[in-house]
Amino acid sequence: EIVMTQSPATLSVSPGDRVTLSCRASQSITNNLAWYQQKPGQPPRLLVHGASARATGVPATFVGSGSGTDFTLTISSLQSADFAVYYCQQYHDWPLTFGGGTNVEIK
Amino acid sequence: DVQLVESGGGLVKPGRSLRLSCTASGFTFDNYDIYWIRQAPGKGLEWVGLVRSKTYGGTTHYAAPLRGRFTISRDNSRNIAYLEMNSLKTEDTGIYYCSRGDMGASYFWGLGTLVTVSS
Repeated sequence: EIVMTQSPATLSVSPGDRVTLSCRASQSITNNLAWYQQKPGQPPRLLVHGASARATGVPATFVGSGSGTDFTLTISSLQSADFAVYYCQQYHDWPLTFGGGTNVEIK
Repeated sequence: DVQLVESGGGLVKPGRSLRLSCTASGFTFDNYDIYWIRQAPGKGLEWVGLVRSKTYGGTTHYAAPLRGRFTISRDNSRNIAYLEMNSLKTEDTGIYYCSRGDMGASYFWGLGTLVTVSS
């Protein structure tokens, strides 16, 4: 199975900061990558699919990039609503797999 | 509006079975793959498996550790997908979500149903 590795596990940041989250696949997944945001007590919310296409309603402050094995999600100016856990997921091959998540917390 | 509602969770003893349902509305159910994803308390997301759309013959794929114990199926006439879980273990405890597969990603999610495996 394809292993997805996210780094860092936790990121302590201040509102207004620029944040870059990383996700690495154990083999090439071309651009078959999604990013999700999850807040406590809620299901995940799709932010990005196809590595760089924002889902409907997702603000332009969220930018996904990368292809092959290395991907990033950049939040250009962190808002209070953006403090959450972020997961990447590959859908290049079965079984689909998630990364372990990055917790973006308030510094 | 697209809606997915999970049901069937609860407290169950180790070794027993449980069947979860995912009732869908607001879209043409048999045109879409349905995924099951779970989340242990305080942990990350784990993909459980899926049942493919009518186009793909309703075939199924599972996470390797769960293959053989978990079975996913669908009833397109009732717009329901099922997750049958057998020989449950304490480590199967968590929230179970269903989602609609959209070219691989999960655009729409249910709120989840909690499964607690404990004696």
